[in-house]
Amino acid sequence: AQKITQTQPGMFVQEKEAVTLDCTYDTSDPSYGLFWYKQPSSGEMIFLIYQGSYDQQNATEGRYSLNFQKARKSANLVISASQLGDSAMYFCAMRAPFTQGGSEKLVFGKGTKLTVNP
Amino acid sequence: GAGVSQSPSNKVTEKGKDVELRCDPISGHTALYWYRQSLGQGLEFLIYFQGNSAPDKSGLPSDRFSAERTGGSVSTLTIQRTQQEDSAVYLCASSPGTHSNQPQHFGDGTRLSIL
Repeated sequence: AQKITQTQPGMFVQEKEAVTLDCTYDTSDPSYGLFWYKQPSSGEMIFLIYQGSYDQQNATEGRYSLNFQKARKSANLVISASQLGDSAMYFCAMRAPFTQGGSEKLVFGKGTKLTVNP
Repeated sequence: GAGVSQSPSNKVTEKGKDVELRCDPISGHTALYWYRQSLGQGLEFLIYFQGNSAPDKSGLPSDRFSAERTGGSVSTLTIQRTQQEDSAVYLCASSPGTHSNQPQHFGDGTRLSIL
């Protein structure tokens, strides 16, 4: 069974600094996809970034980057130059197996609450 | 363009009543998903629809839960004889297709409260 672990219930960062949110995963499937979502207090789930298990390079999307360490089964989200609007819950999620006929559901971690201080 | 639309945004009902939650996916998205977000359990998958294929119902917690998707577009999640443990935010998501790196796009959810 697939499992996502986010060990940081809460994180604090100063505005303009970088922060890393941890995510480890467990799957026996060689093909999988990893996703990060942001959920502000208003409740909507906002897609941030995606990493495929066979991608050669770490994913980047603006101020978001993914530190993907396949051997360690970790996919940490790095947010650079934090802004007050980055304060939210952040969820790591996985789809596995990521193949024709494979699972389509997302398995989510428990989330990390990020607070950006001015 | 328009995102995933869910209604109602909030629903309060008495224990034992039936409720219907609606989801209107992004136009052209063939895949539709329902998830439940509760304080104790985090985000849980409920059910998934893809085109005319049989839905994946593996996440439905009991036979009181059912869902349908008419015409490959709008979906309705029905909870019969509601219980207090059904209180949660019910999220709907859609994606352009399957077996791809396209993310699932979520609606704002329906907050269900069972008295």
